[in-house]
Amino acid sequence: AQSVTQPDIHITVSEGASLELRCNYSYGATPYLFWYVQSPGQGLQLLLKYFSGDTLVQGIKGFEAEFKRSQSSFNLRKPSVHWSDAAEYFCAALLNAGNNRKLIWGLGTSLGVNP
Amino acid sequence: DAGVIQSPRHEVTEMGQEVTLRCKPISGHNSLFWYRQTMMRGLELLIYFNNNVPIDDSGMPEDRFSAKMPNASFSTLKIQPSEPRDSAVYFCASSLQLYSNQPQHFGDGTRLSIL
Repeated sequence: AQSVTQPDIHITVSEGASLELRCNYSYGATPYLFWYVQSPGQGLQLLLKYFSGDTLVQGIKGFEAEFKRSQSSFNLRKPSVHWSDAAEYFCAALLNAGNNRKLIWGLGTSLGVNP
Repeated sequence: DAGVIQSPRHEVTEMGQEVTLRCKPISGHNSLFWYRQTMMRGLELLIYFNNNVPIDDSGMPEDRFSAKMPNASFSTLKIQPSEPRDSAVYFCASSLQLYSNQPQHFGDGTRLSIL
């Protein structure tokens, strides 16, 4: 079945440390890929997206993500984490589902930041 | 620019009552999505519309749930009768175009508690 997997349920890093959140998808072709962030009590906000071209994409808040076709991955990175980055992060992929296309969501990774 | 607007932000009601959640998508967006988010099941797509027409309602859990989009600027999600297991945060999202690389824009959600 088509799926998006975020292997890490929860990650805690120290402020100023680097961050990598993992995302893998199962799909034959290259899907459109997205990373969203959800702060407590709020809706999801788009961080960045990839659909073609340069495999390293830049997003808002200093985040970037790299698409690796060979690994079916789209990992999110940030070189130096700030306390305000503590939130839930969701990876999503637009995949074919029968005659339609559907946005498939990962279960999310909760990020904690230690001062 | 106004984002996706959802009302109410919080709803507490007794089981058996009818609940109506409302959503105003971003002006000019053709697609609208209703999601439910819980700790146990994560983010679930309930139903989505394109040009006011329901495209896929396979995520609607039961006949107690119904959704309408009478015009391009308004949608409702109704639960009748409500049950305690319906307690969740319900999000509405809209996007410029369905099945494209255009991202979904989320409202801040309605936190629903059924007693």
